[in-house]
Amino acid sequence: DIVMTQSPDSLAVSLGERATINCKSSQSVLYSSNNKNYLAWYQQKPGQPPKLLIYWASTRESGVPDRFIGSGSGTDFTLTINSLQAEDVAVYYCQQYYTAPIVAFGPGTKVDIK
Amino acid sequence: VQLVESGGGLVQPGGSLRLSCVASGFIFDEYGMHWVRQAPGKGLEWVSGITWNSGSKGYADSVKGRFTISRDNAENSLYLQMNSLRLEDTALYYCAKDRGGNSGYYDYWGQGILVTVSS
Repeated sequence: DIVMTQSPDSLAVSLGERATINCKSSQSVLYSSNNKNYLAWYQQKPGQPPKLLIYWASTRESGVPDRFIGSGSGTDFTLTINSLQAEDVAVYYCQQYYTAPIVAFGPGTKVDIK
Repeated sequence: VQLVESGGGLVQPGGSLRLSCVASGFIFDEYGMHWVRQAPGKGLEWVSGITWNSGSKGYADSVKGRFTISRDNAENSLYLQMNSLRLEDTALYYCAKDRGGNSGYYDYWGQGILVTVSS
């Protein structure tokens, strides 16, 4: 089974500054035949279901602001939130879908305002 | 797109529940569907998934042998039969739709239904 880890567990960033969240998979989620990383990112605000932000490691879902940037390949991935806004306060999860329909989420990273 | 879960509630350890998710606003039989749960104050845990034609199903190790996923494409409905429930199955259960075909990542989620296992 592929196990996902995230770091840090939480972080506090000043408004307008950058937040960086790391995600690591226990084995590569890069599928060599199509050169795609089977990695997604979600945002969850209190009392709400998760919202898809990014898939294929770096493709933004429609309507997601361009301050959200996904990067990385293989086993190491990053979600960067440029110019943090108050509405970005949430928990962020990475997810591997390399083994879909069996998938796995990371433990989450809580982002707050400093 | 709407996903509406039902069937949750309070159940004793060892008991059973059947969750349902009724979908609307998209062509149900073209997409894989999944159940994801979240224990109070905890992170997301994938529970089970099923491909568009029920040809492939998957389960988390924590529920394998106890939970069964199914779907009725004629009724635009997804189900999760939960047997031998344990205290640790207490969670908010979300129904989620694959973004594309059987992609494994989810563009729409229901609001969730609470399952409480307690004596």
